Amino acid sequence: QKEVEQNSGPLSVPEGAIASLNCTYSDRVSQSFFWYRQYSGKSPELIMSIYSNGDKEDGRFTAQLNKASQYVSLLIRDSQPSDSATYLCAVNHSGGGADGLTFGKGTHLIIQP
Amino acid sequence: DAGVTQSPTHLIKTRGQQVTLRCSPKSGHDTVSWYQQALGQGPQFIFQYYEEEERQRGNFPDRFSGHQFPNYSSELNVNALLLGDSALYLCASSFSRPYQETQYFGPGTRLLVL
Repeated sequence: QKEVEQNSGPLSVPEGAIASLNCTYSDRVSQSFFWYRQYSGKSPELIMSIYSNGDKEDGRFTAQLNKASQYVSLLIRDSQPSDSATYLCAVNHSGGGADGLTFGKGTHLIIQP
Repeated sequence: DAGVTQSPTHLIKTRGQQVTLRCSPKSGHDTVSWYQQALGQGPQFIFQYYEEEERQRGNFPDRFSGHQFPNYSSELNVNALLLGDSALYLCASSFSRPYQETQYFGPGTRLLVL
């Protein structure tokens, strides 16, 4: 069974610090990986996608992928109170568009002013 | 450029009833996926539609069915509603091409079954 694991938190980080969110997945052949942010009562909003091993940066966000360790992470630099949300890690196993995403349960992040 | 839209936003039904939820994909997208998100959980994949056919299905019973229309919009139907079907139902649209399959979510339909 394809599983995605995340620490549910809450993860509390002071404003201005780096928030580090982690995710592991079970299916070794997984092809593409996504981080979504979900505010309470709202739908998931895409932050970043990553397909290759290594780092991918977009503004204050950096996604890291290590396929050998089956591990994906998201770093948020200069954390702001508006970053307080649940962060969902999602995995697409086929990479060809013909697959639903498998989500983790999400990590609840709290940025303390 | 309109994003993914869903209707209705909220719905209250009683056990045993049937419900239809609707989704219009982001402009240019040809693939629609449906998810169920229970409180405190990540979204669970129900099924995906492409070229008006169900391409893949998650672990959901046959009470959950869908349809995709020629304009790529989609419907999710749930028959014989159970209390446990109460959840946020999310529609996501995407392209069906490798490395362009990023899914974008609509605002969701919150279903309450009494």
